[in-house]
Amino acid sequence: EDQVTQSPEALRLQEGESSSLNCSYTVSGLRGLFWYRQDPGKGPEFLFTLYSAGEEKEKERLKATLTKKESFLHITAPKPEDSATYLCAVQAWNAGNMLTFGGGTRLMVKP
Amino acid sequence: KAGVTQTPRYLIKTRGQQVTLSCSPISGHRSVSWYQQTPGQGLQFLFEYFSETQRNKGNFPGRFSGRQFSNSRSEMNVSTLELGDSALYLCASSLSDRGEADTQYFGPGTRLTVL
Repeated sequence: EDQVTQSPEALRLQEGESSSLNCSYTVSGLRGLFWYRQDPGKGPEFLFTLYSAGEEKEKERLKATLTKKESFLHITAPKPEDSATYLCAVQAWNAGNMLTFGGGTRLMVKP
Repeated sequence: KAGVTQTPRYLIKTRGQQVTLSCSPISGHRSVSWYQQTPGQGLQFLFEYFSETQRNKGNFPGRFSGRQFSNSRSEMNVSTLELGDSALYLCASSLSDRGEADTQYFGPGTRLTVL
């Protein structure tokens, strides 16, 4: 059974204080690993897809990396508007388009 | 391009009733998946439809069902509602099922409250 574990569950940062979110996974043949951002009461917003170990992707203050067992979402010099829940999900080759999600990391950035 | 749309956005039902939720995918997307999100269980996969066929199903009771139409629009139905069915129901669409993992784009969700 595919499993995704995210840590920490919650993270409080001061504006400008860089940090990383962790996503550990076990999957029967990784087709893709996804990062989403979710604001309260809204649907998840797509951030990145990573396909193979060693891959990295960047977007503004966010950088996602992937190894064979985990993924990191690095947040550089965060701003209050980066406050949200960040979700990690995996998709396996034998499961159509089904995503298995982790519990998320709730990020709060204080000015 | 318009995003994924879901209707209605909010619903209040009582136990024992049934409910139908609707999802219109991004134009050209053929795969539609449904997820349930609750504070205790997080995001859980319900089922996926591709070309009007259910391709995959999560671990939910038979009270949860769905279908997809020829224009890729999808509906999900929950019969005999229980208090525990209160959740945010999310629909996601993606372009194709071939090759590399396709990005799934989510709608805003339908907030269902069962009283």
